[in-house]
Amino acid sequence: DSGVTQTPKHLITATGQRVTLRCSPRSGDLSVYWYQQSLDQGLQFLIQYYNGEERAKGNILERFSAQQFPDLHSELNLSSLELGDSALYFCASSASATDVAQYFGPGTRLLVL
Amino acid sequence: GQSLEQPSEVTAVEGAIVQINCTYQTSGFYGLSWYQQHDGGAPTFLSYNALDGLEETGRFSSFLSRSDSYGYLLLQELQMKDSASYFCAVRDRGNAGNMLTFGGGTRLMVKP
Repeated sequence: DSGVTQTPKHLITATGQRVTLRCSPRSGDLSVYWYQQSLDQGLQFLIQYYNGEERAKGNILERFSAQQFPDLHSELNLSSLELGDSALYFCASSASATDVAQYFGPGTRLLVL
Repeated sequence: GQSLEQPSEVTAVEGAIVQINCTYQTSGFYGLSWYQQHDGGAPTFLSYNALDGLEETGRFSSFLSRSDSYGYLLLQELQMKDSASYFCAVRDRGNAGNMLTFGGGTRLMVKP
């Protein structure tokens, strides 16, 4: 158990819908990362927040957005969902913005029908 | 951009030694990380190399050669529980933050 929590564990929704994934980092960690893992694209970095501010951005679609709140939890919002958005979404955290080790949560499995 | 190459699958027997290679191409380079992921689980950090040479952590070691853009993960005294996917990942100078680019993963199967 990494100490990172994610909810929900599973999510089934329809195309065109919007969902919100939630992540709580390890106690004391200020940085949160979001990753998408799919069979065809592998494990891809989406975005990083550090102490409430966006720090790095990867291949995140415009339909996706994220934020980190004052209590350091983070939410990833996915809108206008498409079949291809079906994937495992991981949140990870680290103490600082540049820590070598990132600690991953159990993930949210999203299925878009 | 960045790209990483690693074998898709490796098979070894319990008690043996296995090496998983990773070659990378990146515009800048901070270091090479290794993560383990069991089926249905989350990636778990194993090791990090920023400088050339070998880093040892118990049964696992990781090596980096910056001049060759090459690294490997060495697993010794293999156990059945080591059956998992192993990912190499790079963080390069182009990022203000801590973005990791992952390889496609190597599925290790340990047989009795």
